[in-house]
Order: sequence, then C-alpha cells, then structure tokens
Amino acid sequence: DAGITQSPRHKVTETGTPVTLRCHQTENHRYMYWYRQDPGHGLRLIHYSYGVKDTDKGEVSDGYSVSRSKTEDFLLTLESATSSQTSVYFCAISESIMYSENIQYFGAGTRLSVL
Amino acid sequence: GESVGLHLPTLSVQEGDNSIINCAYSNSASDYFIWYKQESGKGPQFIIDIRSNMDKRQGQRVTVLLNKTVKHLSLQIAATQPGDSAVYFCAENRDDKIIFGKGTRLHILP
Repeated sequence: DAGITQSPRHKVTETGTPVTLRCHQTENHRYMYWYRQDPGHGLRLIHYSYGVKDTDKGEVSDGYSVSRSKTEDFLLTLESATSSQTSVYFCAISESIMYSENIQYFGAGTRLSVL
Repeated sequence: GESVGLHLPTLSVQEGDNSIINCAYSNSASDYFIWYKQESGKGPQFIIDIRSNMDKRQGQRVTVLLNKTVKHLSLQIAATQPGDSAVYFCAENRDDKIIFGKGTRLHILP
C-alpha cells in the first residue's frame, strides 16, 4: 500500500466518545487526504493537508478535525463519535496536485463502527 | 449537476474474455482521468491514467480510451482473470481535486 500505514485497522466505539485515526507515510509526499467510503456514496473527501500544519476541509468535514504536525503523520479525530460516522476511512497521499502527479495512493483503510 | 458516474454498477465477464468498464463525466474542463481498482477489504489501487490531450493509453493488459466529444471514458481489460475481480472507479481531476465515481463491480465467471 505505497508506504502508507493506517491504524487502527478496526475499531468499535460508543456514541459520544472521541476517536483518533492515524495515517503514517514513508514516501515523504506533501499531500495527505482522509476519505470515507460508504455504500452508494463512493469515496468522499473529509479533509486534506498540503503541508505540515496546513489543512483544509473537504466535502464532508462536519464532525471531523485533523492535524499534521509532521510530514509523515496525518491524524483524523472524531471529537464525539456518532452512528452516522460508522464507515470505512481511507488515507491517501500524493506528491502534488498537478496533472499526473495527482495520483493518490491509498492505505488499507480503517473500519470504524460507532454503536 | 456535474458528476463522475458509471453506466453500470455490476459487470459479469467470462474468464478469458475482454472486459470493458465505462464511465461518463459531465465537466468538459476536466483535464486528467484516473482508473482505480479496489479489491475486497483493501484500499483503491492506481491502475492507469490519461490526460485530456490523449485519446488512448495502454498499460499491461489494460487500455483506457477517452472520448472528449461525448465525455466518455472506458477501461478495457484484456483476457480477464479471476484476480481482476474487484470494484473499478474512474476519477477526474477538476480544479486540482480528484473526484471519484461510485464504482462498477466486475464479476469473473468461470
């Protein structure tokens, strides 16, 4: 999975609890992304980062926050998990956003269940 | 609205035959397209890409065709194998953001 490690791979949590998902890359790519994947919706962008401490919102950012204190790590936090956040979460990386450098490489995913 | 979509959600193909997976896009300003493969329980995997100034690009057993006139993209897989069983996504680069389609599931019949 292109030097991308997501942790944990599976998590079950209760409504109202905070959850943090971690993405670690060894490729030194500038851009990192968090997506969620749900049946009927495909991949939807939550947040992305274009450098250390530089992040921006995607199309489904409500209820999520991110942080990037190092090039290699991108954290996704659900401050107070809700059942609607049950999903599979994917981290992706890319070298650039220009043309063919915008190929995004994905991690193996984190399956999150909020009960 | 503008979207990246797929003509068929499921495609069944006999092993050894060629597979053709189609994708329609509606934004003529999109300048770059990518196909991904996602196997069960795994993340999407890059297959092949094509820029809007090209009509065709070939890889190993895969070919992507781009018809800008009708805003249509297709992925052809030659001699389909059991390992090709997966969901295939097309994606477009629009304003430096990648927009993913919902995917087509490819079933391989023995």
